Amino acid sequence: EPEVTQTPSHQVTQMGQEVILRCVPISNHLYFYWYRQILGQKVEFLVSFYNNEISEKSEIFDDQFSVERPDGSNFTLKIRSTKLEDSAMYFCASSLAGGPSTGELFFGEGSRLTVL
Amino acid sequence: AQKITQTQPGMFVQEKEAVTLDCTYDTSDQSYGLFWYKQPSSGEMIFLIYQGSYDEQNATEGRYSLNFQKARKSANLVISASQLGDSAMYFCAMREGYNTDKLIFGTGTRLQVFP
Repeated sequence: EPEVTQTPSHQVTQMGQEVILRCVPISNHLYFYWYRQILGQKVEFLVSFYNNEISEKSEIFDDQFSVERPDGSNFTLKIRSTKLEDSAMYFCASSLAGGPSTGELFFGEGSRLTVL
Repeated sequence: AQKITQTQPGMFVQEKEAVTLDCTYDTSDQSYGLFWYKQPSSGEMIFLIYQGSYDEQNATEGRYSLNFQKARKSANLVISASQLGDSAMYFCAMREGYNTDKLIFGTGTRLQVFP
């Protein structure tokens, strides 16, 4: 069964360093997303990406964050100058359609980021 | 007001019994989608079931069914014949309207299945 894959599964970084989290969405999907979950809290939307551009972003997704799809398969989240409060599980997701007709939205297994 | 409310922080159920996890939502949009996800202790988010606001029938996927009561704005997940492997955190989520792709998640319900 097709799945969303994420790397790395866990990354430890020093505060102030840059981090890139990678995702390979399901191959025929067109919409891509990043969510995060701070330990013990609910899952929060960060950004959605369609047709090679950001379609929506939350207030969390400030200038510290960026996304791109560099090669048509990978979908990356870059976090510049990490802060302690960026420590969280970051989930990539993809779907075939967008909006309320999205139907199934598939998540990857997550990348745990620990900022020291 | 919370968009997604899950009032049960924790639930217990005996193996082979059915259990209902509650979810209510708040939206003024006519078009929206409702999702349930399972998050085991390993952390991944597993899609379980989806219900569109215009779907006439309640969604079902194997042992999972969604009890969709539109007038009451509830979308409860029913798990039949619980298994030990069903022990996990369960999240209800909503996408509302045509102008957004984001999911709004509830705070989750931790389900524990005992023998």
